[in-house]
Amino acid sequence: QSALTQPASVSGSPGQSITISCTGTSSDIGGYNYVSWYQQYPGKAPKLIIFDVSHRPSGASNRFSGSKSGNTASLTISGLQAEDEADYYCSSYRSTSTPYVFGTGTKVTVL
Amino acid sequence: QVTLKESGPALVKPTQTLTLTCSLFGFSVSTDLMRVNWIRQPPGKALEWLARIDWDDDKFYSTSLKTRLTISKDTSKNQVVLTMTNMDPVDTATYYCARSAYGGNSGFDPWGQGTLVTVSS
Repeated sequence: QSALTQPASVSGSPGQSITISCTGTSSDIGGYNYVSWYQQYPGKAPKLIIFDVSHRPSGASNRFSGSKSGNTASLTISGLQAEDEADYYCSSYRSTSTPYVFGTGTKVTVL
Repeated sequence: QVTLKESGPALVKPTQTLTLTCSLFGFSVSTDLMRVNWIRQPPGKALEWLARIDWDDDKFYSTSLKTRLTISKDTSKNQVVLTMTNMDPVDTATYYCARSAYGGNSGFDPWGQGTLVTVSS
């Protein structure tokens, strides 16, 4: 089962905006609006920050926003802060016998 | 407050069977539309979804691991159990349980703290 493709790393300066891409296929990202994003600090469990492509759960920062175009989803972090330095993973529902797939993960560095 | 907590052995030997328990707090696994998942993460690597069990006892598995996994629930203890047979060193990972967010396919929230399982002789 192939994972969704994310860039290994993305960096930005404080206050800037960065975007992380997540590329799948028509069987997952392109076929459903069930893309979610997670923030993970070292040694900690992942935390949901975006669900259903662009919705933020209660408590998630409004500096996180999500979108989708075709088979690629994107997470944008605006007003980058030091606390945003973490690993980020996308996930999607998939119309195969394995119903969920995760991305390869992106390490965000705040310069 | 909704929380989950994993428990199980920290070390298993190759070929052994791993049994992990996810204890649920603040919600019941038998409540309509409740779904609980197991997800793992090898050290320094990406997340991998393993299995899901629903309130009505429907079960779903990763295709690549289906023959080795069994997920079940104990409603009297409000726990979800995952067993994985024929453990191998490549199965070394932190294993998480997580509730399906918003009752459906909208992601996973919240997650347990995770439990690290090392496979070594």
